[in-house]
Amino acid sequence: DQQVKQNSPSLSVQEGRISILNCDYTNSMFDYFLWYKKYPAEGPTFLISISSIKDKNEDGRFTVFLNKSAKHLSLHIVPSQPGDSAVYFCAASAKRGSGNTGKLIFGQGTTLQVKP
Amino acid sequence: NAGVTQTPKFRILKIGQSMTLQCTQDMNHNYMYWYRQDPGMGLKLIYYSVGAGITDKGEVPNGYNVSRSTTEDFPLRLELAAPSQTSVYFCASSYQLAGPGELFFGEGSRLTVL
Repeated sequence: DQQVKQNSPSLSVQEGRISILNCDYTNSMFDYFLWYKKYPAEGPTFLISISSIKDKNEDGRFTVFLNKSAKHLSLHIVPSQPGDSAVYFCAASAKRGSGNTGKLIFGQGTTLQVKP
Repeated sequence: NAGVTQTPKFRILKIGQSMTLQCTQDMNHNYMYWYRQDPGMGLKLIYYSVGAGITDKGEVPNGYNVSRSTTEDFPLRLELAAPSQTSVYFCASSYQLAGPGELFFGEGSRLTVL
């Protein structure tokens, strides 16, 4: 069972426009959500995170929105740049004592292409 | 600043062979993890460790073994390689428990079992 889902395998946007990457989850015990970015032949790198007590977190061009009732989060990149072209993974971790502590569960990833 | 270092970067194994993927980190992180990534799939947690001498299973531990004798090293052992273990393996470490604490990943080890 896929607890974290990224239903769009790929996304293509024009440079300067907004990129919106989506992620859905099923486990109500998740209390922390993260986005990682991965370039080819490299390991993933941390991008931005959000705690379940918040509904928005912003860091420069990157904003993550969390909708707990819908079990949905999204990553907004504004403005998009060609260097943002990469695979983006959504990930979630569960509360202590839930049996999933310390286990970061990843989605399948979305490949973003930003065209110049 | 090395961070998380994995070796080897590439390896081809025959069915039934065994090998160890090495992982070392120089950030003095207590928490270390092994993930595998299959094409079109997310990263799946194989094993993790919360400190020297302590390891626990992740989502897909079958066919693998780990040990954590030092803070720095967290090797992953494949005893009887199978084609299903063809994947890219990532080692990671974190200062805090995964979640609030971001993971620092190595560059990955691409393993092919023929």
